[in-house]
Amino acid sequence: QSVLTQPPSASGTPGQRVTISCSGSSSNIGSNTVNWYQQLPGTAPKLLIYSNNQRPSGVPDRFSGSKSGTSASLAISGLQSEDEADYYCAAWDDSLNGHAVFGGGTQLTVL
Amino acid sequence: QLQLQESGSGLVKPSQTLSLTCAVSGGSISSGGYSWSWIRQPPGKGLEWIGYIYQSGSTFSNPSLKSRVTISVDRSKNQFSLNLTSVTAADTAVYYCARTTVTPKFQIIWFDPWGQGTLVTVSS
Repeated sequence: QSVLTQPPSASGTPGQRVTISCSGSSSNIGSNTVNWYQQLPGTAPKLLIYSNNQRPSGVPDRFSGSKSGTSASLAISGLQSEDEADYYCAAWDDSLNGHAVFGGGTQLTVL
Repeated sequence: QLQLQESGSGLVKPSQTLSLTCAVSGGSISSGGYSWSWIRQPPGKGLEWIGYIYQSGSTFSNPSLKSRVTISVDRSKNQFSLNLTSVTAADTAVYYCARTTVTPKFQIIWFDPWGQGTLVTVSS
């Protein structure tokens, strides 16, 4: 059972806009920033969004992040076939002397 | 461009110690004020943070694993290591190392970049 809650799956057709939610609590998302990682099949995770809504260099602006209260969202607009991957949210949790926590991951399928 | 590469034993017997090393290339492990983490992913499952070593050498571990985890750094070899003791089948996973950005209050901000990962299987 992951500390951050994500839907296990999401889907969309090419060109569509898809959002993935991430729900937490006051000890993690409610008081710290959220990051999103993209894991393409058979590869290591890659930082996609940091500090709630910032994109690292090289990440297309089709990807955007937002946070409100104890929840966060990842939006992908203009969906492309190469976006098919697992997406994980992550945050620092201040409980138990502090530790990093991840969501369970959302498998995105491009139909 | 910074690159990380995990190496170590791919098969470990139950109750023994899992040992992995992460070699850092393309930059110094001592520069930039970064910390260095281990993260794992059981087959077909999600990610779990194991712990990190801070620039000062202090270490921080997941409370669920804390008593079994040791993370160390060898700056002369530009690498850091993980030891996980008393392993069971539940420790079977792909293990990743990652450069870690941490706040002055030791809170992890993000992991970037990651190594390619190495599969460790716990079996007799």
